[in-house]
Amino acid sequence: AQSVTQPDIHITVSEGASLELRCNYSYGATPYLFWYVQSPGQGLQLLLKYFSGDTLVQGIKGFEAEFKRSQSSFNLRKPSVHWSDAAEYFCAVGPNNNDMRFGAGTRLTVKP
Amino acid sequence: GAVVSQHPSRVICKSGTSVKIECRSLDFQATTMFWYRQFPKKSLMLMATSNEGSKATYEQGVEKDKFLINHASLTLSTLTVTSAHPEDSSFYICSARDSRAGMHQPQHFGDGTRLSIL
Repeated sequence: AQSVTQPDIHITVSEGASLELRCNYSYGATPYLFWYVQSPGQGLQLLLKYFSGDTLVQGIKGFEAEFKRSQSSFNLRKPSVHWSDAAEYFCAVGPNNNDMRFGAGTRLTVKP
Repeated sequence: GAVVSQHPSRVICKSGTSVKIECRSLDFQATTMFWYRQFPKKSLMLMATSNEGSKATYEQGVEKDKFLINHASLTLSTLTVTSAHPEDSSFYICSARDSRAGMHQPQHFGDGTRLSIL
């Protein structure tokens, strides 16, 4: 069965600093991988996804993620964080676009 | 872009009542929609997969008689929480995929419904 782990429950970074949110997955084959962002009381917005091809994926809002098969990881990165990036971030994994499982989430706080 | 509308955004009701939540795909058709439940400061848990014109597929541990799902058209799925109790209070989120899009197109999420049972 697939599973996804986000080791960091809460991360605080200063505005303008770089960011990396970790995501590790367990799955037998190459899964579909996603990163979503959720603002308080809102639904989820897709930042980026990976299913094949180039392992470095570019997303919206300046985010990128890199699929590393050897490490079973799909970490999310942003070179310079903005105050508006403060939110909850979810990594998700699945065999396809339908059967997704979400990680526990990482809450990002941005210091001025 | 693909938009999923969820209504209501918030509902407060008394214990024992039934509550219906609607999920609509506004600019695309969705043969499959998904219902998730999110506890405070927790992740999303898939409750069920809603299939247009057929019965929903429920995840293990989800009571199908408690959480009734109807997907009567290609643009609307409803979740009815029957005889709701305080433990049913939660944030419920739906999502949908464009039926005509390729297999790599992701789910699009609604803004969620905050359900509070007094």
